Amino acid sequence: ETGVTQSPTHLIKTRGQQVTLRCSSQSGHNTVSWYQQALGQGPQFIFQYYREEENGRGNFPPRFSGLQFPNYSSELNVNALELDDSALYLCASTTPRGTGELFFGEGSRLTVL
Amino acid sequence: QQQVKQSPQSLIVQKGGISIINCAYENTAFDYFPWYQQFPGKGPALLIAIRPDVSEKKEGRFTISFNKSAKQFSLHIMDSQPGDSATYFCAAVGGSYIPTFGRGTSLIVHP
Repeated sequence: ETGVTQSPTHLIKTRGQQVTLRCSSQSGHNTVSWYQQALGQGPQFIFQYYREEENGRGNFPPRFSGLQFPNYSSELNVNALELDDSALYLCASTTPRGTGELFFGEGSRLTVL
Repeated sequence: QQQVKQSPQSLIVQKGGISIINCAYENTAFDYFPWYQQFPGKGPALLIAIRPDVSEKKEGRFTISFNKSAKQFSLHIMDSQPGDSATYFCAAVGGSYIPTFGRGTSLIVHP
């Protein structure tokens, strides 16, 4: 069974640029969610995708957007990067029953200069 | 608004000691309370979880104590080991199945 994989693991961008982060969900998991984890903080919910549609969103501006593909993989796009966007971005998948247990990837560390 | 409050922010324990991390929640609609463990450079991983129909759940050295009336729950790590050194997050989940996380506790267990 393949776990959640994310790419890239690290990246550096400058303010105003755009970034795309990618995630492959765990086998059999059809729901993918994205979290932002700032240094020393808990994960903050960005949004969730189920059957290729966004079905939940946290308190993040519209410049944070996403996609889910038919194979359940997902992308997180952030436009007009700001310094405060520097964080670890975590992707998590859940089982179809949605018990609340999340299976996290190792994250993409984004630094905005 | 912080819906799940976690304390302490950091904790240092000697090997063999008991580590205790506390969380409190506000929303009575929460009905699932997981704890996640995160090692440096890794994503969080589910450690243990409890539902409010029981007051305690034990898995090996890890125990969750749950007080529904006080809206509090805690993680106890018995016989703490250096390998337990990690950041621990409590969370609360309601009908949306989207967890609300606490801010985390950095645990260091000295040999």
